[in-house]
Amino acid sequence: DAGVIQSPRHEVTEMGQEVTLRCKPISGHNSLFWYRQTMMRGLELLIYFNNNVPIDDSGMPEDRFSAKMPNASFSTLKIQPSEPRDSAVYFCASRLAGTDTQYFGPGTRLTVL
Amino acid sequence: EDQVTQSPEALRLQEGESSSLNCSYTVSGLRGLFWYRQDPGKGPEFLFTLYSAGEEKEKERLKATLTKKESFLHITAPKPEDSATYLCAVQAVGNAGNMLTFGGGTRLMVKP
Repeated sequence: DAGVIQSPRHEVTEMGQEVTLRCKPISGHNSLFWYRQTMMRGLELLIYFNNNVPIDDSGMPEDRFSAKMPNASFSTLKIQPSEPRDSAVYFCASRLAGTDTQYFGPGTRLTVL
Repeated sequence: EDQVTQSPEALRLQEGESSSLNCSYTVSGLRGLFWYRQDPGKGPEFLFTLYSAGEEKEKERLKATLTKKESFLHITAPKPEDSATYLCAVQAVGNAGNMLTFGGGTRLMVKP
């Protein structure tokens, strides 16, 4: 049974470049969450979707960040332009309707030089 | 604003030396408290959910307990493979999206 899939696992880019992170939730799950993890701030929720619709994006740090979920099996988190302070591990998590548990993917480690 | 504080930040134990990790929380109304385990380079792995004060859950050497202000993760006779970061998170009542607020984690190191 495949869990949450994220790609790429590692991304190194230069400041000013566009970065796109991808997530495939567990099949049948209808809620999807994007988190960012850093040593200083821990695990922070950026945005979450319910049935492909963005519900709360109050955690998105600024307009350089955007997220989409075009269908139930795919979501993207885009940073444009990227900055060194965006360096972090980005996690995607999904949840089945009617349950409370979120299941996390392996994460994407982003380094912006 | 929901807040979660975990202590200690790091804990070193000898194999077999039992101990407890603490998770203190402030939330308007608790819907659920979650424990996750995170290994280096991996995503958090779900362990337990607790819903009401007095509730306990067990899994192998781990036991989670809940009071109205805090939760404990008790580790009995730990083994080196229990080394990981343990994360606590809360979900508030009325939180339409069932969003989680995480604590900073406790990094556990168990030496053989």
